Amino acid sequence: KQEVTQIPAALSVPEGENLVLNCSFTDSAIYNLQWFRQDPGKGLTSLLLIQSSQREQTSGRLNASLDKSSGRSTLYIAASQPGDSATYLCAVPGFQKLVFGTGTRLLVSP
Amino acid sequence: GAGVSQSPRYKVAKRGQDVALRCDPISGHVSLFWYQQALGQGPEFLTYFQNEAQLDKSGLPSDRFFAERPEGSVSTLKIQRTQQEDSAVYLCASSFASGSFGLDEQFFGPGTRLTVL
Repeated sequence: KQEVTQIPAALSVPEGENLVLNCSFTDSAIYNLQWFRQDPGKGLTSLLLIQSSQREQTSGRLNASLDKSSGRSTLYIAASQPGDSATYLCAVPGFQKLVFGTGTRLLVSP
Repeated sequence: GAGVSQSPRYKVAKRGQDVALRCDPISGHVSLFWYQQALGQGPEFLTYFQNEAQLDKSGLPSDRFFAERPEGSVSTLKIQRTQQEDSAVYLCASSFASGSFGLDEQFFGPGTRLTVL
């Protein structure tokens, strides 16, 4: 059974810092991995989707890497801004579903 | 609209009441998923439809939960005799392809926050 873990559970940083969020999964036979953002009271916004054949994916200040063999992915946020404050979730496909981690709550202070 | 929509956005129910939550997927999307997200947790899978066929309902927590998608578009998640432990955000997602192991990107709606008093 696929299990997904995210650390840290919460992170508080001052504006401008670069930061790394971690995601690990127990079954390395994944097809892809997706990072989401969730604002309080809102649904999920897809940030990046990395196919298993890729090692990283970039979108603006976000860079996600994938190491299937070690069962890990990282989300790197450069030059963090207060608007980045949200919960970040990673997810991998199980059979006909997504399996999510519990998320990292990020607070970026001005 | 261009995205997945859900209604109502918020629902307060007294314990024992029945509730119905609606999901309008992106037009043309074959697959539709329901997830339950408890406070401080990641979403947990409830059920999956491919067109009108419910192919997986293994995540439904009890027989009080029922989902349907009769015409392969709009879906309704019904919870009978609600209990306090049913309080959560219910998320709907859709994807274009039929999925299976090689899941295509899922697009999520804003969710319905259910509070059972």
